[in-house]
Amino acid sequence: GAVVSQHPSRVICKSGTSVKIECRSLDFQATTMFWYRQFPKQSLMLMATSNEGSKATYEQGVEKDKFLINHASLTLSTLTVTSAHPEDSSFYICSARDPGLAIHEQFFGPGTRLTVL
Amino acid sequence: DAKTTQPPSMDCAEGRAANLPCNHSTISGNEYVYWYRQIHSQGPQYIIHGLKNNETNEMASLIITEDRKSSTLILPHATLRDTAVYYCIVRAYNYGGSQGNLIFGKGTKLSVKP
Repeated sequence: GAVVSQHPSRVICKSGTSVKIECRSLDFQATTMFWYRQFPKQSLMLMATSNEGSKATYEQGVEKDKFLINHASLTLSTLTVTSAHPEDSSFYICSARDPGLAIHEQFFGPGTRLTVL
Repeated sequence: DAKTTQPPSMDCAEGRAANLPCNHSTISGNEYVYWYRQIHSQGPQYIIHGLKNNETNEMASLIITEDRKSSTLILPHATLRDTAVYYCIVRAYNYGGSQGNLIFGKGTKLSVKP
């Protein structure tokens, strides 16, 4: 299947700093990318959907000014957690669809574990 | 909210078939059944999907009841590496708007034991 990468895989930061997470589709062009968050022992929660060249659509309860999403190219989407606090510590996972492949598959990245001290 | 119900956990002996059930009694006519799994601290992995016919691929088989209100994922010969959380998800074929988004429920934690 298609490959989605994330960078970094793990990040530790101080409270109040901003952290950028990159999501790349390595062998396909992703017109749509998704960002999920997963707290320990819980399921994945969809945060937002980003379409290349347009503003992201955020799920209810997700602060768009805190979680900045940029999908500037067909292979890269970034999630910036601004002014991170300990409650933002979580496992962040991106996902991408390739309209050129079987439309049913959605590929996930390996995740980024964010720890805010 | 997730539109599926799954048992929280299951055990399976290595080498045996693992049968994971899923209830989706409110599934709509344009919604497919998808299965993903998540091994600890990794991103979810696509397994299989189906609409109304039974499906099989190299990883698993999917059995959907005639009324489409439930389904079963079958791992024919479970190995220790199949230990993961398995998610059953219904998603609309039409990706317009939010209908096509993958919404994860709590899933079933499958433990394959030697």
